[in-house]
Amino acid sequence: GESVGLHLPTLSVQEGDNSIINCAYSNSASDYFIWYKQESGKGPQFIIDIRSNMDKRQGQRVTVLLNKTVKHLSLQIAATQPGDSAVYFCAETRAAYKYIFGTGTRLKVLA
Amino acid sequence: DGGITQSPKYLFRKEGQNVTLSCEQNLNHDAMYWYRQDPGQGLRLIYYSQIVNDFQKGDIAEGYSVSREKKESFPLTVTSAQKNPTAFYLCASSITGATDTQYFGPGTRLTVL
Repeated sequence: GESVGLHLPTLSVQEGDNSIINCAYSNSASDYFIWYKQESGKGPQFIIDIRSNMDKRQGQRVTVLLNKTVKHLSLQIAATQPGDSAVYFCAETRAAYKYIFGTGTRLKVLA
Repeated sequence: DGGITQSPKYLFRKEGQNVTLSCEQNLNHDAMYWYRQDPGQGLRLIYYSQIVNDFQKGDIAEGYSVSREKKESFPLTVTSAQKNPTAFYLCASSITGATDTQYFGPGTRLTVL
């Protein structure tokens, strides 16, 4: 399998519990943020995004929270399922073609 | 079935060889990107293209080359000048080059023998 993510921080949660994955972003001028999910050996999959004029956005089972004061982004996954096991990373951008990607957090769902 | 395709999934290169990675999209997106992913690091931008027949260097362009002759296609050539090419290569596209969502292909794993 793909070796990306070998040395990432890991979050282990019980199946059915809620997961919270955090991301500290680097630039206070960033105005668009994206969360991606990446399974081993596959390309990143878009989960949810948020613009800087919002504090919270909800999708299906996922919520993204943005705290611009402390430059913090979080992804909440409700009722975590085994299929949620993957590496999750955030991306920020403040200008065209200038995306900054985080290194990611590995989520392990325990049965 | 719309999306981004990359081929091959796995590629092996001998020292001194050039290899080309394919990326095709049928999303009618203007902008396309190539990233490199290494363990423990965030994605790093190699090249990007805003429009057909135009492309720009990213943060780590040395040892790589691209072309954008068609809107749907953005192939990446890893030349022998790239000293550490073993990595996972990801192609992405977005509607425009502005602050849009980037959608990724499945990736190509390149290994130097």
